[in-house]
Amino acid sequence: EVNLVESGGGLVLPGRSLRLSCAASGFKFDDYAMHWVRQVPGKGLEWVAGVSWDSGRIAYADSVKGRFTISRDNAKTALFLQMNRLTSEDMAFYYCAKGGPSGIDAFDLWGQGTMVTVSS
Amino acid sequence: NFMLTQPHSVSESPGKTVTISCTRSSGRIASSYVHWYQQRPGSSPINVIYEDNQRPSGVPDRFSGSVDTSSNSASLSISGLTTEDEADYYCQSYDSNTRGVVFGGGTKLTV
Repeated sequence: EVNLVESGGGLVLPGRSLRLSCAASGFKFDDYAMHWVRQVPGKGLEWVAGVSWDSGRIAYADSVKGRFTISRDNAKTALFLQMNRLTSEDMAFYYCAKGGPSGIDAFDLWGQGTMVTVSS
Repeated sequence: NFMLTQPHSVSESPGKTVTISCTRSSGRIASSYVHWYQQRPGSSPINVIYEDNQRPSGVPDRFSGSVDTSSNSASLSISGLTTEDEADYYCQSYDSNTRGVVFGGGTKLTV
């Protein structure tokens, strides 16, 4: 069964760091770009970052550039998001999503999401 | 950078057809594919249209997509509406300048 399972969310103090993980299964992970998308509860979707199949191309939303780092481990079929200098504006559900072979493709598989709460 | 603008909400009766628009603010709508997602309350998004007008397997043919270059917009149409179609719908496209992904603000469909 194809599946994406996020983990690592939780409560974090402003200014601190958190690392999210996404475990992929049921498909050839290293054939596809992967993305992180976030959603403030009750609000819309915001793309956060994406990484190509071979990590050769990486892109970030302006809102997280310089603070967040996306990475992947194809051997472990895992996707990561290192989030530094967190603020209340980063508080959201974070979804891992499977793209296609290139950046123009739709996201055809989404995880269930992990909630990040930034609060003192 | 461009934006994708969707109506905040639409409403239609069961059995009818509804169309949700997605207007690109700058650059040609046809320069990059538009994809559409459905998100029911409490659930993750699912892809219902990819590459402007293609339907993933398992998505009913009541869902269709199109692009209108004259209005620089894409549209998602859903016919034969049922209460199961009540959800938020998002359009999405790729920005080749930034190599990023842009989502529309989402449209809440009430049936």
